[in-house]
Amino acid sequence: GESVGLHLPTLSVQEGDNSIINCAYSNSASDYFIWYKQESGKGPQFIIDIRSNMDKRQGQRVTVLLNKTVKHLSLQIAATQPGDSAVYFCAENGNFNKFYFGSGTKLNVKP
Amino acid sequence: GAVVSQHPSRVICKSGTSVKIECRSLDFQATTMFWYRQFPKKSLMLMATSNEGSKATYEQGVEKDKFLINHASLTLSTLTVTSAHPEDSSFYICSASVQKGTEAFFGQGTRLTVV
Repeated sequence: GESVGLHLPTLSVQEGDNSIINCAYSNSASDYFIWYKQESGKGPQFIIDIRSNMDKRQGQRVTVLLNKTVKHLSLQIAATQPGDSAVYFCAENGNFNKFYFGSGTKLNVKP
Repeated sequence: GAVVSQHPSRVICKSGTSVKIECRSLDFQATTMFWYRQFPKKSLMLMATSNEGSKATYEQGVEKDKFLINHASLTLSTLTVTSAHPEDSSFYICSASVQKGTEAFFGQGTRLTVV
């Protein structure tokens, strides 16, 4: 399957700061990407998505950037809050509608 | 919003027995359902993809006879772990999507412990 990886396994930020989580993907044919948040013992929760015909998409306090040239995704969280503490995954929707997940980044928000 | 219900949330079984996990889309019809396995502090590993009414497509290295997947209707898929062994202990998660290029909605996961 496709390889979707993350550069930073753990990220610690101060409450109120902005967070940036990165992800690299390998399948240049992938045309849809999602960022998920997973809390301990639960299933992943949708945060934001982006299609390959876009390079930026904004939601509430979150922004996803897509750089197809280098096959890179990032998730920016503004004014990070303690409730944002979780593991974040990018997922790549590639061939045959399969979703492959990256290795994940644990976000720790310090009060 | 779309809800995917997974049952049971936790199960403990004895080695050699089989366990069935159900995944239901409660308020939408899912043409495609996915089954993932997740080890502690690791990512979700795609096991198989199933489309309603057809055989599941298994990822490389996943034993189809070990992990039986049935997607009999647009709202229900089941994963049966056959002849379970302690190494099958894991967190199993299902997801469902309406069509390609749309969000996949996830269930709550099933914690399987084989003793």
